[in-house]
Amino acid sequence: AQKVTQAQTEISVVEKEDVTLDCVYETRDTTYYLFWYKQPPSGELVFLIRRNSFDEQNEISGRYSWNFQKSTSSFNFTITASQVVDSAVYFCALRATVGNAGNMLTFGGGTRLMVKP
Amino acid sequence: SAVISQKPSRDICQRGTSLTIQCQVDSQVTMMFWYRQQPGQSLTLIATANQGSEATYESGFVIDKFPISRPNLTFSTLTVSNMSPEDSSIYLCSVVEGTQYFGPGTRLLVL
Repeated sequence: AQKVTQAQTEISVVEKEDVTLDCVYETRDTTYYLFWYKQPPSGELVFLIRRNSFDEQNEISGRYSWNFQKSTSSFNFTITASQVVDSAVYFCALRATVGNAGNMLTFGGGTRLMVKP
Repeated sequence: SAVISQKPSRDICQRGTSLTIQCQVDSQVTMMFWYRQQPGQSLTLIATANQGSEATYESGFVIDKFPISRPNLTFSTLTVSNMSPEDSSIYLCSVVEGTQYFGPGTRLLVL
Protein backbone atom coordinates (compact mmCIF):
# COMPACT_ATOMS: atom_id res chain seq x y z
CA ALA A 1 0.00 0.00 0.00
CA GLN A 2 1.09 3.54 -0.67
CA LYS A 3 0.70 6.50 1.59
CA VAL A 4 1.64 10.16 1.48
CA THR A 5 1.62 12.30 4.59
CA GLN A 6 1.69 16.07 4.68
CA ALA A 7 1.75 16.76 8.39
CA GLN A 8 1.27 20.51 8.04
CA THR A 9 -2.37 21.17 7.26
CA GLU A 10 -1.98 24.93 7.26
CA ILE A 11 0.96 27.33 7.27
CA SER A 12 0.83 31.09 7.52
CA VAL A 13 3.83 33.27 6.70
CA VAL A 14 4.51 36.89 5.97
CA GLU A 15 5.60 37.87 2.51
CA LYS A 16 9.34 37.42 1.81
CA GLU A 17 9.70 34.69 4.39
CA ASP A 18 11.01 31.30 3.31
CA VAL A 19 8.70 28.36 3.89
CA THR A 20 9.16 24.59 3.65
CA LEU A 21 6.31 22.19 3.03
CA ASP A 22 6.96 18.69 4.28
CA CYS A 23 6.05 15.46 2.50
CA VAL A 24 6.73 11.94 3.75
CA TYR A 25 5.76 8.88 1.77
CA GLU A 26 5.49 5.12 2.14
CA THR A 27 5.75 2.57 -0.63
CA ARG A 28 7.09 -0.93 -1.11
CA ASP A 29 7.99 -0.23 -4.70
CA THR A 30 11.62 0.30 -5.60
CA THR A 31 10.76 2.60 -8.47
CA TYR A 32 8.19 5.33 -8.21
CA TYR A 33 7.48 8.94 -9.05
CA LEU A 34 6.90 11.82 -6.68
CA PHE A 35 4.98 14.95 -7.59
CA TRP A 36 4.09 18.34 -6.22
CA TYR A 37 0.98 20.21 -7.38
CA LYS A 38 -0.34 23.66 -6.55
CA GLN A 39 -4.06 24.32 -6.25
CA PRO A 40 -4.85 28.04 -6.14
CA PRO A 41 -8.28 29.28 -5.03
CA SER A 42 -9.55 28.93 -8.59
CA GLY A 43 -9.36 25.17 -8.13
CA GLU A 44 -7.22 23.93 -10.99
CA LEU A 45 -4.32 21.64 -10.19
CA VAL A 46 -1.03 23.02 -11.44
CA PHE A 47 1.84 20.61 -11.96
CA LEU A 48 5.08 21.79 -10.32
CA ILE A 49 7.54 18.92 -10.43
CA ARG A 50 7.97 15.19 -10.99
CA ARG A 51 10.86 13.27 -9.50
CA ASN A 52 11.90 9.71 -10.32
CA SER A 53 12.94 7.61 -7.33
CA PHE A 54 16.35 7.02 -8.88
CA ASP A 55 17.10 10.69 -9.14
CA GLU A 56 17.97 12.09 -5.75
CA GLN A 57 19.39 15.33 -6.99
CA ASN A 58 17.78 18.35 -5.49
CA GLU A 59 16.15 20.74 -7.91
CA ILE A 60 15.77 24.45 -7.99
CA SER A 61 13.39 26.39 -10.21
CA GLY A 62 13.38 30.09 -9.50
CA ARG A 63 12.09 30.57 -5.95
CA TYR A 64 11.10 26.92 -5.70
CA SER A 65 13.38 24.10 -4.58
CA TRP A 66 12.83 20.47 -3.75
CA ASN A 67 14.80 18.24 -1.41
CA PHE A 68 14.40 14.50 -2.08
CA GLN A 69 15.80 12.28 0.67
CA LYS A 70 15.22 8.63 -0.12
CA SER A 71 16.77 7.54 3.18
CA THR A 72 14.01 9.30 5.10
CA SER A 73 11.30 8.89 2.44
CA SER A 74 10.81 12.61 2.24
CA PHE A 75 10.28 15.02 -0.63
CA ASN A 76 10.12 18.51 0.83
CA PHE A 77 9.31 21.69 -1.03
CA THR A 78 10.75 25.09 -0.17
CA ILE A 79 9.54 28.46 -1.40
CA THR A 80 12.11 31.20 -0.98
CA ALA A 81 11.03 34.80 -0.48
CA SER A 82 7.35 33.89 -0.52
CA GLN A 83 4.81 36.08 -2.28
CA VAL A 84 1.09 36.57 -1.84
CA VAL A 85 0.52 34.76 -5.15
CA ASP A 86 2.02 31.64 -3.58
CA SER A 87 -1.07 31.33 -1.40
CA ALA A 88 -2.65 28.03 -2.36
CA VAL A 89 -3.06 24.43 -1.29
CA TYR A 90 -0.05 22.32 -2.17
CA PHE A 91 -0.31 18.58 -2.70
CA CYS A 92 2.43 16.01 -2.68
CA ALA A 93 1.66 12.79 -4.57
CA LEU A 94 3.19 9.39 -5.27
CA ARG A 95 2.78 7.04 -8.19
CA ALA A 96 4.20 3.55 -8.41
CA THR A 97 5.55 2.41 -11.75
CA VAL A 98 4.42 -1.20 -11.82
CA GLY A 99 1.19 -3.13 -11.57
CA ASN A 100 -2.23 -1.68 -11.06
CA ALA A 101 -0.89 0.91 -8.66
CA GLY A 102 1.04 2.35 -11.56
CA ASN A 103 -2.19 3.87 -12.77
CA MET A 104 -2.93 5.79 -9.66
CA LEU A 105 -1.65 8.89 -7.95
CA THR A 106 -1.82 8.73 -4.18
CA PHE A 107 -2.19 12.22 -2.77
CA GLY A 108 -1.24 13.64 0.57
CA GLY A 109 -3.82 15.60 2.50
CA GLY A 110 -2.47 18.90 1.24
CA THR A 111 -0.95 21.91 2.97
CA ARG A 112 -2.75 25.23 2.81
CA LEU A 113 -0.20 28.02 2.55
CA MET A 114 -1.27 31.55 3.34
CA VAL A 115 1.16 34.32 2.54
CA LYS A 116 0.23 37.62 4.12
CA PRO A 117 1.42 40.96 2.78
CA SER B 1 2.17 19.00 -22.02
CA ALA B 2 -1.40 17.81 -22.50
CA VAL B 3 -4.14 20.44 -22.58
CA ILE B 4 -7.32 19.25 -20.92
CA SER B 5 -10.70 20.94 -20.95
CA GLN B 6 -13.79 20.08 -18.95
CA LYS B 7 -17.43 20.98 -19.29
CA PRO B 8 -19.25 22.30 -17.39
CA SER B 9 -16.86 24.27 -15.24
CA ARG B 10 -19.46 24.41 -12.50
CA ASP B 11 -23.08 23.53 -11.88
CA ILE B 12 -25.73 23.61 -9.21
CA CYS B 13 -28.04 20.63 -9.28
CA GLN B 14 -31.05 19.32 -7.41
CA ARG B 15 -30.83 16.09 -5.48
CA GLY B 16 -31.99 13.04 -7.36
CA THR B 17 -30.85 14.36 -10.75
CA SER B 18 -27.79 13.37 -12.79
CA LEU B 19 -24.99 15.39 -14.33
CA THR B 20 -22.61 14.36 -17.10
CA ILE B 21 -19.16 15.91 -17.09
CA GLN B 22 -17.13 15.97 -20.28
CA CYS B 23 -13.35 15.80 -20.57
CA GLN B 24 -11.49 16.60 -23.78
CA VAL B 25 -7.74 16.20 -24.32
CA ASP B 26 -5.75 17.76 -27.14
CA SER B 27 -3.82 14.56 -27.85
CA GLN B 28 -4.53 10.84 -27.91
CA VAL B 29 -3.96 9.15 -24.56
CA THR B 30 -4.38 5.56 -23.51
CA MET B 31 -5.71 6.11 -20.03
CA MET B 32 -7.85 8.85 -18.60
CA PHE B 33 -8.56 9.18 -14.90
CA TRP B 34 -11.40 10.70 -12.93
CA TYR B 35 -10.76 12.12 -9.48
CA ARG B 36 -13.03 13.61 -6.86
CA GLN B 37 -12.11 16.31 -4.39
CA GLN B 38 -14.63 16.82 -1.63
CA PRO B 39 -14.67 20.22 0.08
CA GLY B 40 -11.48 20.84 2.02
CA GLN B 41 -10.18 17.38 1.21
CA SER B 42 -7.50 15.81 -0.93
CA LEU B 43 -8.07 14.07 -4.24
CA THR B 44 -9.39 10.55 -4.53
CA LEU B 45 -9.33 8.42 -7.67
CA ILE B 46 -12.79 7.37 -8.81
CA ALA B 47 -11.88 5.28 -11.85
CA THR B 48 -9.54 4.71 -14.75
CA ALA B 49 -11.06 4.88 -18.23
CA ASN B 50 -9.50 3.00 -21.12
CA GLN B 51 -10.78 3.30 -24.65
CA GLY B 52 -12.61 0.20 -25.78
CA SER B 53 -13.07 -1.38 -22.38
CA GLU B 54 -15.05 -0.85 -19.21
CA ALA B 55 -13.70 1.57 -16.68
CA THR B 56 -11.90 0.25 -13.63
CA TYR B 57 -13.38 1.61 -10.41
CA GLU B 58 -11.59 2.15 -7.12
CA SER B 59 -12.90 0.86 -3.84
CA GLY B 60 -15.94 2.80 -2.73
CA PHE B 61 -17.02 3.83 -6.23
CA VAL B 62 -19.46 1.87 -8.39
CA ILE B 63 -20.49 2.01 -12.01
CA ASP B 64 -24.18 2.57 -11.26
CA LYS B 65 -23.36 5.77 -9.41
CA PHE B 66 -20.52 6.99 -11.62
CA PRO B 67 -20.93 5.58 -15.14
CA ILE B 68 -18.06 6.48 -17.45
CA SER B 69 -17.79 6.50 -21.20
CA ARG B 70 -14.59 6.51 -23.27
CA PRO B 71 -15.62 6.55 -26.91
CA ASN B 72 -12.19 7.52 -28.29
CA LEU B 73 -8.63 8.36 -27.27
CA THR B 74 -9.27 12.06 -26.64
CA PHE B 75 -12.62 12.14 -24.86
CA SER B 76 -14.37 10.78 -21.78
CA THR B 77 -17.47 11.50 -19.75
CA LEU B 78 -18.28 10.92 -16.11
CA THR B 79 -21.89 10.92 -14.96
CA VAL B 80 -22.80 11.55 -11.35
CA SER B 81 -26.13 9.78 -10.95
CA ASN B 82 -28.99 10.26 -8.51
CA MET B 83 -27.10 13.04 -6.79
CA SER B 84 -27.20 13.88 -3.13
CA PRO B 85 -25.57 16.80 -1.26
CA GLU B 86 -22.67 14.45 -0.39
CA ASP B 87 -21.73 14.46 -4.08
CA SER B 88 -20.89 18.16 -3.90
CA SER B 89 -17.23 18.16 -4.95
CA ILE B 90 -14.77 19.15 -7.59
CA TYR B 91 -14.48 16.45 -10.23
CA LEU B 92 -11.21 16.39 -12.15
CA CYS B 93 -10.17 14.60 -15.28
CA SER B 94 -6.52 13.59 -15.58
CA VAL B 95 -4.16 12.05 -18.14
CA VAL B 96 -0.61 10.79 -18.15
CA GLU B 97 1.59 12.19 -20.88
CA GLY B 98 5.10 11.99 -19.54
CA THR B 99 3.85 13.39 -16.29
CA GLN B 100 0.31 13.53 -14.95
CA TYR B 101 -1.86 16.50 -15.87
CA PHE B 102 -5.25 17.58 -14.63
CA GLY B 103 -8.15 19.38 -16.20
CA PRO B 104 -9.51 22.58 -14.66
CA GLY B 105 -12.17 20.66 -12.75
CA THR B 106 -15.95 20.78 -12.52
CA ARG B 107 -17.33 22.31 -9.34
CA LEU B 108 -20.58 20.59 -8.46
CA LEU B 109 -22.99 21.77 -5.79
CA VAL B 110 -25.97 19.56 -5.02
CA LEU B 111 -28.86 21.15 -3.15
